[in-house]
Order: sequence, then C-alpha cells, then structure tokens
Amino acid sequence: QKEVEQNSGPLSVPEGAIASLNCTYSDRVSQSFFWYRQYSGKSPELIMSIYSNGDKEDGRFTAQLNKASQYVSLLIRDSQPSDSATYLCAVPDSGGYQKVTFGTGTKLQVIP
Amino acid sequence: DTGVSQDPRHKITKRGQNVTFRCDPISEHNRLYWYRQTLGQGPEFLTYFQNEAQLEKSRLLSDRFSAERPKGSFSTLEIQRTEQGDSAMYLCASSPTLGDTEAFFGQGTRLTVV
Repeated sequence: QKEVEQNSGPLSVPEGAIASLNCTYSDRVSQSFFWYRQYSGKSPELIMSIYSNGDKEDGRFTAQLNKASQYVSLLIRDSQPSDSATYLCAVPDSGGYQKVTFGTGTKLQVIP
Repeated sequence: DTGVSQDPRHKITKRGQNVTFRCDPISEHNRLYWYRQTLGQGPEFLTYFQNEAQLEKSRLLSDRFSAERPKGSFSTLEIQRTEQGDSAMYLCASSPTLGDTEAFFGQGTRLTVV
C-alpha cells in the first residue's frame, strides 16, 4: 500500500516570505510526483510535476525531489494571500497514471 | 468549455436513496477517473476507465457503488442505498492515453446524505 505523508498544517507565513511544503512517500519505485493546489470547496489544480532528482522551477514555485530520501518538497517564493490554499502531494502508480495516491494535504495561510 | 464537467455540483439526499452523478471528460481524453474526497483528506481513488473499459476499481468501494462509461465518452457514478458516510466530494478527472500526462479534475459533485 503506497503511502504519501504530509503535515496537515496549517502553515502560516507572512506575505512575501518563502513557504516550504514537504512530502514523503513510501514507494521506492515511484518516478513521478505532482503538486496540486486546492482552494476551499474547489477541485485540485495541478501546479507542478517533477520526475528527476533536483529542482524544477516554474515562476514563484520550485519543486525539489530527492528519490534516495523519498522526499519531495514545494517552495513558494514571495508568498501572496492568493496562495492560501491546501497543497496536495500526489504520486501516480508506477508505469502509468491510472491511479494517483494523494497525501492529506498541507493547508497554507499567507498572512497579509 | 473544454474542461471536465460534472453534474450536479451539489446533491442533498436522504439516507437510503439512490443517487447518480455524471462526468463529461475533456474531449478525446481516453482515461477517466473517479475519486472521493472527505473533509481534511486528500482525494481517494475509486475507479478508472480507459475508453469504455473499467480497468481498476478500489477495494474500498462497496457493492453499492457502480460506475459506467458506456460509449467511452461520459461516465456515471451511482450510489445505491446511500449512507451518511457517503457524504463527500466526488471528483472526476480525465487524461489522454498518449504521453501519460497528468489528469485534469472537474469541479466535483458535493454529496450530502441526511
């Protein structure tokens, strides 16, 4: 049974600061990792995907992957109040995207 | 609208009643998924279709749940004899077969069983 672990938060950061969200996973063969953002009452929205060890940057977002440590993180630079949401770490099944296991999500609050 | 569409957006039903939800995936997406999400939890996989074939179904899914995708386009999820524990957000997602890209979610159907 694949497990994806996240701190539920809430994580509170002041506006303009860096928010750091962490995720660990149990399946050593996992190759792909997704970060979804979910506003209250809305559906998840994909914001980042990462497949290789190291960093991947997209605007204010940076995903970091360390497969040896089975750890993936999401950094949000210059945090804005509009970034306040729950961030879900997701790991698809190996060999395909038929099923994705989600973490419980970390709630981020950006304080103006 | 080219996104995943779900109907209805909200459903309130009495315990013991049957409910059916519909999902229209992004056009030409072969893969379709149903997930369920309860408060404070991440989405939980329910079932997966490739075209009209239901290829995987969660062991957590009771016999009261059934899903179809008869023509490989839209899908329906039916819950029979609803229970209060069925109250949740039911999310549909779709993805193309080629390229193994990520799935795109619809807005969900919020079910409340009273």
